[in-house]
Amino acid sequence: EVQLVESGGGVVRPGGSLRLSCAASGFTFDDYGMSWVRQAPGRGLEWVSTINWNGGSTGYADAVKGRFTISRDSAKNSVYLQMNSLRAEDTALYHCARGTPYTRFDPWGQGALVTVSS
Amino acid sequence: QSALTQPPSASGSPGQSVAISCTGTSSDVGAYNYVSWYQQHPGKAPKLMIYEVTKRPSGVPDRFSGSKSGNTASLTVSGLQAEDEADYYCSSYAGSNMGVFGGGTKLTVL
Repeated sequence: EVQLVESGGGVVRPGGSLRLSCAASGFTFDDYGMSWVRQAPGRGLEWVSTINWNGGSTGYADAVKGRFTISRDSAKNSVYLQMNSLRAEDTALYHCARGTPYTRFDPWGQGALVTVSS
Repeated sequence: QSALTQPPSASGSPGQSVAISCTGTSSDVGAYNYVSWYQQHPGKAPKLMIYEVTKRPSGVPDRFSGSKSGNTASLTVSGLQAEDEADYYCSSYAGSNMGVFGGGTKLTVL
């Protein structure tokens, strides 16, 4: 069974940093690109970032470019999202998803909640 | 990176058909056949329903179908059932390793 499990969420002050992790299992991790998609409370889905199968290509939403960095570790079957200079508007449930915008997001993890508040 | 445009709400009675539109631009929906649709029930993770405009993953009922014309994609749900009541989101590739989602449509089964 394909599983994606996020961790690393929490409460952080504006300007702070947080690193999300997503542990993948049940499929050949190196065959797939991976993505992060967030959902602010009561709001819709927002694509955040994508990394291709070998980590050689990445993409970021304008809202996070220069502040967030996506990476992956094939030895640990994991993808990460380093979030710096966090703002209140980054408060959201962050989902990890297998796939990219040019394939499909399937499946999704249950998400890690990030709250940016003073 | 502007969000794709979806109607906030749609509704239909059991057994009826309903279509949800997703309008983008010539740089995203109109440029690529990488439009996908996701169903999200309250408190749950999104679920893939349609990918590459018209393809249906295994396990998704054939009551769900997708299409595209120009800059607008559509999801049609035929033979509405109570369990179809959910939020639906479209997504498109926007070039340069970027993606974009629609604002979401709340589907109500009357």
